Amino acid sequence: GNSVTQMEGPVTLSEEAFLTINCTYTATGYPSLFWYVQYPGEGLQLLLKATKADDKGSNKGFEATYRKETTSFHLEKGSVQVSDSAVYFCALHSGGSNYKLTFGKGTLLTVNP
Amino acid sequence: GAVVSQHPSRVICKSGTSVKIECRSLDFQATTMFWYRQFPKQSLMLMATSNEGSKATYEQGVEKDKFLINHASLTLSTLTVTSAHPEDSSFYICSAISPGAPGQPQHFGDGTRLSIL
Repeated sequence: GNSVTQMEGPVTLSEEAFLTINCTYTATGYPSLFWYVQYPGEGLQLLLKATKADDKGSNKGFEATYRKETTSFHLEKGSVQVSDSAVYFCALHSGGSNYKLTFGKGTLLTVNP
Repeated sequence: GAVVSQHPSRVICKSGTSVKIECRSLDFQATTMFWYRQFPKQSLMLMATSNEGSKATYEQGVEKDKFLINHASLTLSTLTVTSAHPEDSSFYICSAISPGAPGQPQHFGDGTRLSIL
């Protein structure tokens, strides 16, 4: 079956530090990959996505590249801000008509001023 | 962008009460909606998939008579927690999708914090 493994947190960084949150996956076929962000007390927001190998998703300074050879979709940001403090979820959709997502366990990021 | 509205954002009620949560897609037609439950510091647990005009498909272990789902229109799905008890207290989140090209993301509501006393 499908699975997503992401770096367990919590991750604590100082403002302007470089961020990497690792995500690897197991899936049949050619999945679409997503990063979602959840701020405290809120639902999930789509941060970025990639639908095929070598695609790079980017948004708000965050980037992730779909690496089929390593089955990875690591999230990076060059300079984090306090406002980036949230839980980040890596997820995949393996195709098909059910549109179900498989989520990683989430990584809590805290950025200190 | 696609907006999903979830209401209410917070409910506190007595044990035995039934609680209805609404999920609306505001600017797109959602043929499929999902209902999730999230425990503190954990990932989302899919409860059921709701398709407009048909019965919901529940995940294994989710009681369909306990968690009633209705998806009567392309913009509205409801989750009713019947005869709620303290163990039903949780954060419930809906999402909606308008199926189309591969890689269509789910769009999430802001969640409902349910507290049963």
